[in-house]
Amino acid sequence: DIQLTQSPSFLSASVGDRVTITCRASQGISSSLAWYQQKPGKAPKLLIYAASTLQSGVPSRFSGSGSGTEFTLTISSLQPEDSATYYCLQLNKYPHTFGQGTKLEIK
Amino acid sequence: EVQLVESGGDMVQPGGSLRLSCAASGFTFSTSWMSWVRRAPGKGLEWVANIQRDGTEEYYVDSVKGRFTISRDNAQNSLYLQMNNLRAEDTAVYYCARGWLPDSWGQGTLVTVSS
Repeated sequence: DIQLTQSPSFLSASVGDRVTITCRASQGISSSLAWYQQKPGKAPKLLIYAASTLQSGVPSRFSGSGSGTEFTLTISSLQPEDSATYYCLQLNKYPHTFGQGTKLEIK
Repeated sequence: EVQLVESGGDMVQPGGSLRLSCAASGFTFSTSWMSWVRRAPGKGLEWVANIQRDGTEEYYVDSVKGRFTISRDNAQNSLYLQMNNLRAEDTAVYYCARGWLPDSWGQGTLVTVSS
């Protein structure tokens, strides 16, 4: 199975900061990677797919990049509502697998 | 508006069975892959299974193969997950999601496996 390792696992940042989360795959997955945001008690929300395509309705401060084995999710100017846990998901091979998650706290 | 509503979650003893359902509306169900994803208490998301549009292809995570079966009824716009021989580690909130790339999700249904 393809393992996805996210770093960091926990992140604390201030409103207005630029934040980057990394997702590394144990083997190449081309651009078959998505990013999700999940808030407590809520369903996950798709932010980015195909590594860098912004899902409709998602604020433009979110962006994704990468291909192969290394990917990043960047929030250009952190907002209070961005407090959540973020997950990457690979869809290159079955079984599809998620990273372990990055919990983002707003200071 | 896409709506996905899961039901069927319950508390069950180890070795027991449950059938989860997901009622879909607001999109053309028969043309969409569908997926199940779970989140165990205090853990992250885990992809469980998905099923092709006409139900002819199914894929599973190794830990549920042979115990869980994903199915669908396109006439009823419904997705199912039959879970047999349940284990404590299957305890989780189970989400139904639209798509091979899950892009819309239900609110989840809680399955608790405990004696």
